[in-house]
Amino acid sequence: AQKVTQAQTEISVVEKEDVTLDCVYETRDTTYYLFWYKQPPSGELVFLIRRNSFDEQNEISGRYSWNFQKSTSSFNFTITASQVVDSAVYFCALSVGGATNKLIFGTGTLLAVQP
Amino acid sequence: DTGVSQNPRHKITKRGQNVTFRCDPISEHNRLYWYRQTLGQGPEFLTYFQNEAQLEKSRLLSDRFSAERPKGSFSTLEIQRTEQGDSAMYLCASSRQGGFQETQYFGPGTRLLVL
Repeated sequence: AQKVTQAQTEISVVEKEDVTLDCVYETRDTTYYLFWYKQPPSGELVFLIRRNSFDEQNEISGRYSWNFQKSTSSFNFTITASQVVDSAVYFCALSVGGATNKLIFGTGTLLAVQP
Repeated sequence: DTGVSQNPRHKITKRGQNVTFRCDPISEHNRLYWYRQTLGQGPEFLTYFQNEAQLEKSRLLSDRFSAERPKGSFSTLEIQRTEQGDSAMYLCASSRQGGFQETQYFGPGTRLLVL
């Protein structure tokens, strides 16, 4: 069975601080895909990044960076120099592809960035 | 590309009534997904269409739930004889079938409240 764990329920930081959101996944499949989505108060899930299991290269996009480590089954997300607009719920998700490609989500981490 | 759209955005109904939600996917996306999200949780997979064929249904989808995607374009999700436990955000996502490049894009959701 597949599972995604986001142990941090809520994180509060002050603007310009760096913050890391943790994601641990479980799957026995050798091919799988990992995602991060952002859900602002408006409710719409916004796609941030996807990572394929065969590509362990870390990625940086502006203030966002992702650290994928298969050895620890983790896919952590770091926001550098956080801003108030980063305040949202962040979800990590897993897909094992196959016929459906359905996403299995963690419970999310609520990030509050204080001015 | 316009994004995924969902209507209505909000629905309040009384227990026992039927409700229907609509999802319009991104044009040319042949895959369409429905998810349900309750307060404080991540989205949970309900059902999946590839073109007009409904290929998978979650055990969360009781007999009171039915989904259609006529002609492989928009989709509807109907809940019959609503119960208070059906109160949730119903999210629709679409994707273009593409193996390891495939990414689901979400609509704004329909928030259902059953009184």
